[in-house]
Amino acid sequence: ETGVTQSPTHLIKTRGQQVTLRCSSQSGHNTVSWYQQALGQGPQFIFQYYREEENGRGNFPPRFSGLQFPNYSSELNVNALELDDSALYLCASSLGAGTGAYEQYFGPGTRLTVT
Amino acid sequence: AQSVTQLDSQVPVFEEAPVELRCNYSSSVSVYLFWYVQYPNQGLQLLLKYLSGSTLVKGINGFEAEFNKSQTSFHLRKPSVHISDTAEYFCAVRVNQAGTALIFGKGTTLSVSS
Repeated sequence: ETGVTQSPTHLIKTRGQQVTLRCSSQSGHNTVSWYQQALGQGPQFIFQYYREEENGRGNFPPRFSGLQFPNYSSELNVNALELDDSALYLCASSLGAGTGAYEQYFGPGTRLTVT
Repeated sequence: AQSVTQLDSQVPVFEEAPVELRCNYSSSVSVYLFWYVQYPNQGLQLLLKYLSGSTLVKGINGFEAEFNKSQTSFHLRKPSVHISDTAEYFCAVRVNQAGTALIFGKGTTLSVSS
């Protein structure tokens, strides 16, 4: 059974640029959630995708957008990068997104640095 | 709105000593509770979870946690720590509603020395 994978591992971008981060969910999981973890902080929920549709969103501006594909892999896109977007971006997959205690399995993260 | 407070940002302990990492949450609805561990430059690994039933939950690596509904707490304990337990620990809650995700505390750094 393959776990959650993320690419790339590290990324350096310039302010104002756009970036795409990728996540492959664990086998059989149909839900992907994205989190932003700033240095020294806990992860903050960005949004969640369930069966290719956005199913919930945290307090992030519209320049943070995403996609989920038929194989349940997912992308996080960030436009007009700002210095404060520098963080570890974590992807988590789970089996289901409705009511119930769906355990989330996390990938290793993508470290984004904006200069 | 739900929130999670981890009462200690750093906890230094000696090897083989007991440790308790404290977590309080606020929520007006029922929640699921989790503890995750994060080793340097890695993602999050689930230590244990409380869903329902027994308030004492046992997890991996010898950790356990006790859910106290009246005090809205979910403290993590280990009777004897090892050097390898040095890591960042996060408490998280999730409400029982569709489309919701985990709300994390700011983390507690556990430093175990010999």
